[in-house]
Amino acid sequence: DGGITQSPKYLFRKEGQNVTLSCEQNLNHDAMYWYRQDPGQGLRLIYYSQIVNDFQKGDIAEGYSVSREKKESFPLTVTSAQKNPTAFYLCASSIGNSDTQYFGPGTRLTVL
Amino acid sequence: ELKVEQNPLFLSMQEGKNYTIYCNYSTTSDRLYWYRQDPGKSLESLFVLLSNGAVKQEGRLMASLDTKARLSTLHITAAVHDLSATYFCAVDILPMEYGNKLVFGAGTILRVKS
Repeated sequence: DGGITQSPKYLFRKEGQNVTLSCEQNLNHDAMYWYRQDPGQGLRLIYYSQIVNDFQKGDIAEGYSVSREKKESFPLTVTSAQKNPTAFYLCASSIGNSDTQYFGPGTRLTVL
Repeated sequence: ELKVEQNPLFLSMQEGKNYTIYCNYSTTSDRLYWYRQDPGKSLESLFVLLSNGAVKQEGRLMASLDTKARLSTLHITAAVHDLSATYFCAVDILPMEYGNKLVFGAGTILRVKS
């Protein structure tokens, strides 16, 4: 089955910790994206990558970092510099320009 | 700064009725997407509108795009309870040759009452 997987589904972080959210896709898509969703709001773009070994900041990149060493994988690290990280994080991928973005099931991050 | 505004933000409607959700945006774009989200779930793609005048229909939902007015509509015909969800529009703000970068509206929560 082709699709996008995210892990873990739920993640709890203590203050001052860095945590990494996993995103993997087997759709052979070139582009991958990370979004953050806060309750009752739309999605905001954190980072995106259109090809391997290249990525760009989105609208709210501060306190986050990413890597794109493989086409299938686009992990997101939430660093201690992100002051309000509690949110629902969604990863997406698309074939390329003007194509629909397909979303993974999401990771719900809570800071304790 | 690009703004994508949806209205209404909350819509409660009776089964069998028709209604329209509006999505206005503040910059030039000819690519717009509609997504559905069920509570606690991820986003599901509904429609991709790639040119002025584009119209797509799937079941009781129909989406259209007017790039000159910077307006997209999502029309619901004879609503049923299964349509209850949050609906998002998203505008692609990059020129096509540079990729795909979406800005989302805040979402419209739709509740269909029997």
